[in-house]
Amino acid sequence: AQRVTQPEKLLSVFKGAPVELKCNYSYSGSPELFWYVQYSRQRLQLLLRHISRESIKGFTADLNKGETSFHLKKPFAQEEDSAMYYCALSPGANNLFFGTGTRLTVIP
Amino acid sequence: EAQVTQNPRYLITVTGKKLTVTCSQNMNHEYMSWYRQDPGLGLRQIYYSMNVEVTDKGDVPEGYKVSRKEKRNFPLILESPSPNQTSLYFCASSSNSYSNQPQHFGDGTRLSIL
Repeated sequence: AQRVTQPEKLLSVFKGAPVELKCNYSYSGSPELFWYVQYSRQRLQLLLRHISRESIKGFTADLNKGETSFHLKKPFAQEEDSAMYYCALSPGANNLFFGTGTRLTVIP
Repeated sequence: EAQVTQNPRYLITVTGKKLTVTCSQNMNHEYMSWYRQDPGLGLRQIYYSMNVEVTDKGDVPEGYKVSRKEKRNFPLILESPSPNQTSLYFCASSSNSYSNQPQHFGDGTRLSIL
């Protein structure tokens, strides 16, 4: 069965510091992985997906199949990055399985 | 504007009183789903629908019903709500044009069952 683990419920970093939000998954096949973000009082929205291999708002995430990880990284955190971040796995057919989320706080 | 619209945004009600949360999308998406978001548990899928008249259970379907009579609408029905269904609910939709499309989420509905 598929499972997504985000080990940190809360993460605080100072503005300008690097940030890494961890995500590990378990799935026997080849999943598609996503990061969704929820800013205060806003709807959940897609941040990036591994298949695109792109950088959004300075964030990147690399799929490491050996370690079954999909950590989200940004070299220099900004205050506007403070939000709830969810890692999600899709085994196919549009279904999404979410991790429990990490609340990132960027301290000015 | 492309969007997923949920109503109501907030509702306080009592145990046992049937309620319906509506969800509508204007993007002609085939796939729609409902999630509940609880502290420490993240988002868990309740039901999903691949297309009109096709619905399936997600991870936590107990106590909920859905219907998909039209492509744009996917209401969530609580026939006899209980306090453990107090939660924040999100509807989402995506295209089936090819698999693993990003989902578009509504603003959420906060339900409180007393």
